Amino acid sequence: GQNIDQPTEMTATEGAIVQINCTYQTSGFNGLFWYQQHAGEAPTFLSYNVLDGLEEKGRFSSFLSRSKGYSYLLLKELQMKDSASYLCAVTSNDYKLSFGAGTTVTVRA
Amino acid sequence: DADVTQTPRNRITKTGKRIMLECSQTKGHDRMYWYRQDPGLGLQLIYYSFDVKDINKGEISDGYSVSRQAQAKFSLSLESAIPNQTALYFCATSGGEGETQYFGPGTRLLVL
Repeated sequence: GQNIDQPTEMTATEGAIVQINCTYQTSGFNGLFWYQQHAGEAPTFLSYNVLDGLEEKGRFSSFLSRSKGYSYLLLKELQMKDSASYLCAVTSNDYKLSFGAGTTVTVRA
Repeated sequence: DADVTQTPRNRITKTGKRIMLECSQTKGHDRMYWYRQDPGLGLQLIYYSFDVKDINKGEISDGYSVSRQAQAKFSLSLESAIPNQTALYFCATSGGEGETQYFGPGTRLLVL
């Protein structure tokens, strides 16, 4: 099975940077995903990491260390619309996803 | 047009009623999933299907059943709804790199 931990809440100021950490324990690892979910809406795909290192996509970057069971999502130049829940999810060899409970990010003016 | 659609978007029902939630996709993916989401909890997998002839139970399948009518359609049924099945339900499909999952807009279900 999977055990995925991420902080419950984070608050940051518009224009700042926020880093959301995710640690996991898994019996089989085949990649890690980050999703963004606005309240009452569907999760939307942000990033996928399967190899160690940093993947950058515009204002969002995601990092993975498989040996440490650790990932982070970095949000730069925060905007008000970035206020949302960010879900860390790990996929095993059968490609099922196991989700963390999510980190609610609040961006303040 | 949305790639993954769900109907209904909102539903109120009474304890003991049978209801069906429907999901359709135009992404051409073989794999489809049903999740429920409760406040403060992560998404929990109810059932999943890797192709039309393949149905598998997820973490919380008790009280639910599914039907994979075609590659594009995957329905979730609550045989006899109970109040603790009140939740937000998502359908998803997967494909591409790492079998990335793509979610429908969700169905908000209230069981009285």
